[in-house]
Amino acid sequence: GENVEQHPSTLSVQEGDSAVIKCTYSDSASNYFPWYKQELGKGPQLIIDIRSNVGEKKDQRIAVTLNKTAKHFSLHITETQPEDSAVYFCAASPMNYGGSQGNLIFGKGTKLSVKP
Amino acid sequence: NAGVTQTPKFQVLKTGQSMTLQCAQDMNHNSMYWYRQDPGMGLRLIYYSASEGTTDKGEVPNGYNVSRLNKREFSLRLESAAPSQTSVYFCASRLTVESAGELFFGEGSRLTVL
Repeated sequence: GENVEQHPSTLSVQEGDSAVIKCTYSDSASNYFPWYKQELGKGPQLIIDIRSNVGEKKDQRIAVTLNKTAKHFSLHITETQPEDSAVYFCAASPMNYGGSQGNLIFGKGTKLSVKP
Repeated sequence: NAGVTQTPKFQVLKTGQSMTLQCAQDMNHNSMYWYRQDPGMGLRLIYYSASEGTTDKGEVPNGYNVSRLNKREFSLRLESAAPSQTSVYFCASRLTVESAGELFFGEGSRLTVL
């Protein structure tokens, strides 16, 4: 089955700096890679996702890159702000699979702290 | 729209007691999920229901049971709670298992077993 590893587990940056979180996956059949943000006391919320037919996707200050050959994908946050402080989770799953293969496998999370 | 609603938000149990966590979604989603979140362990899937009338085990199903009551509701039951089940539980839903679309989470239920 799929295994997703996420690094680092904690990350502290100064406001305005960039933050990068990296994930690796094991199952070459995985082709959907979402990122979730979890604020304190709340449930995770999707912030961006990428499918394997593209190598990069951007949404304002957030970007995700995917290297299918190396089986890793990364989240990039530029011009960080204090409100970016949260726990971020990467995940992987194969698309269009029935049964358990379609379920998301999550990384263990990265706690990002943005210092004003 | 309320999205995914979980109850209760907090619960304290004694070892051996039973309880049911309730979850309802109003987005007409077919698939529903129960996860647990523990420090340093991320989100681990307990059980899921790909569609009304079906349920399947996830990564950590031992000690839990589920019921997909109808399309909207998916409950998680602890028959005999153990301290190892102290955790934050999240219910989630998405359109279908195959859609690989956004997973919508509830706000979580914090359970402490003494």
